[in-house]
Amino acid sequence: QLQLQESGPGLVKPSETLSLTCTVSGGSISSSSYYWGWIRQPPGKGLEWIGSIYYSGSTYYNPSLKSRVTISVDTSKNQFSLKLSSVTAADTAVFYCARHPARITMVRGVIVNWYFDLWGRGTLVTVSS
Amino acid sequence: QSALTQPASVSGSPGQSITISCTGTSSDVVGYNYVSWYQQHPGKAPKLMIYDVSNRPSGVSNRFSGSKSGNTASLTISGLQAEDEADYYCSSYTTSSTLVFGGGTKVTVL
Repeated sequence: QLQLQESGPGLVKPSETLSLTCTVSGGSISSSSYYWGWIRQPPGKGLEWIGSIYYSGSTYYNPSLKSRVTISVDTSKNQFSLKLSSVTAADTAVFYCARHPARITMVRGVIVNWYFDLWGRGTLVTVSS
Repeated sequence: QSALTQPASVSGSPGQSITISCTGTSSDVVGYNYVSWYQQHPGKAPKLMIYDVSNRPSGVSNRFSGSKSGNTASLTISGLQAEDEADYYCSSYTTSSTLVFGGGTKVTVL
């Protein structure tokens, strides 16, 4: 049974960079059948998609966060990571990693299915001095 | 990108049917059949309930159904049960090759 687990510091100072890792267990992150994404949820608020990555390194980002976000993948460790720079209190949130299906076609290459069918449990990151 | 519009709350009695709306634009809901719905209980991760407008993942009760008309997608819960009390979020693919969520709807079982 494939599982996702977020890890990283629970407290980050303003203006610093938030770094989180999602470890994929019970399956390979290098599967051609999936993209891997990050979603956040401020306390008491709704969900916000941050971005997604394929095992090859191909990425999609939320335009509103793109200037501050880097998502990377380490296939040797079966992990993908999130870096969010210049954080403020507004970045305080529960961060989830999740999986979304993809398929390869001969004509169009990799087609992403834009829904998340498997989620990690989430990790709270607080931005405070 | 702007969030999709959902009602803040919807309520119903056990056994009744309720419908949650999710309103978008020509850049998202109208243009693509890539609307999905998630259920989230307090302190838990979201759970996929509907994908690609009306498809149910394996294991999700057939009391949950999805549809779309014009710029509005809908999630209907029939035979409402106490366990259905949760927050529900819609999401849609957009023309910018991104994903946008709705603001969420709190479902209360009276």
